[in-house]
Amino acid sequence: EAGVVQSPRYKIIEKKQPVAFWCNPISGHNTLYWYLQNLGQGPELLIRYENEEAVDDSQLPKDRFSAERLKGVDSTLKIQPAELGDSAVYLCASSPSGGSGELFFGEGSRLTVL
Amino acid sequence: AQSVSQHNHHVILSEAASLELGCNYSYGGTVNLFWYVQYPGQHLQLLLKYFSGDPLVKGIKGFEAEFIKSKFSFNLRKPSVQWSDTAEYFCAVTPSGSARQLTFGSGTQLTVLP
Repeated sequence: EAGVVQSPRYKIIEKKQPVAFWCNPISGHNTLYWYLQNLGQGPELLIRYENEEAVDDSQLPKDRFSAERLKGVDSTLKIQPAELGDSAVYLCASSPSGGSGELFFGEGSRLTVL
Repeated sequence: AQSVSQHNHHVILSEAASLELGCNYSYGGTVNLFWYVQYPGQHLQLLLKYFSGDPLVKGIKGFEAEFIKSKFSFNLRKPSVQWSDTAEYFCAVTPSGSARQLTFGSGTQLTVLP
């Protein structure tokens, strides 16, 4: 079974540029998460989707961050414009409906903003 | 809202030494508890979980954790570590019945010397 796939793995941009990250969850997993992981910190939830509906986006900085999950499968997280403080790893995870609470993570997208 | 504290940021052990990583959580109700591990260059993966019942839970690779409700703790243990256990370990908590509101601790980097 294929795991959660994220791309790109690494991205280096200059501040004020836009950037987008893509996530393909495990087939059949209805719940999709985007987490932010700063260096030396644990993952922090940005947004959670149940199918195509964003059900928890309270931690998403909506002035510059946006996300979508069209058709309830793949998801894209966008930052526009990027700031120096956005340098971090962006993790995508998925879980099945009615699951045990175990999340399945991708390898992450490491963003460096210069 | 729930929170998690991991007091040890970096632990260095020699092979065959015993391991105990501390995890304390803050939440007023019943919780589900998890330990995730991230090996170098790999994605986060579940090590073990506690939902209810026996407070001593066993996970993969010889790890175990004990839930002590009175102390709000869920410490991770292993009697004899191996070099391959070098990784970052994250404790996480979610309110029971809200399996998708997972909150992570800041992580503990374990380095095992051969």
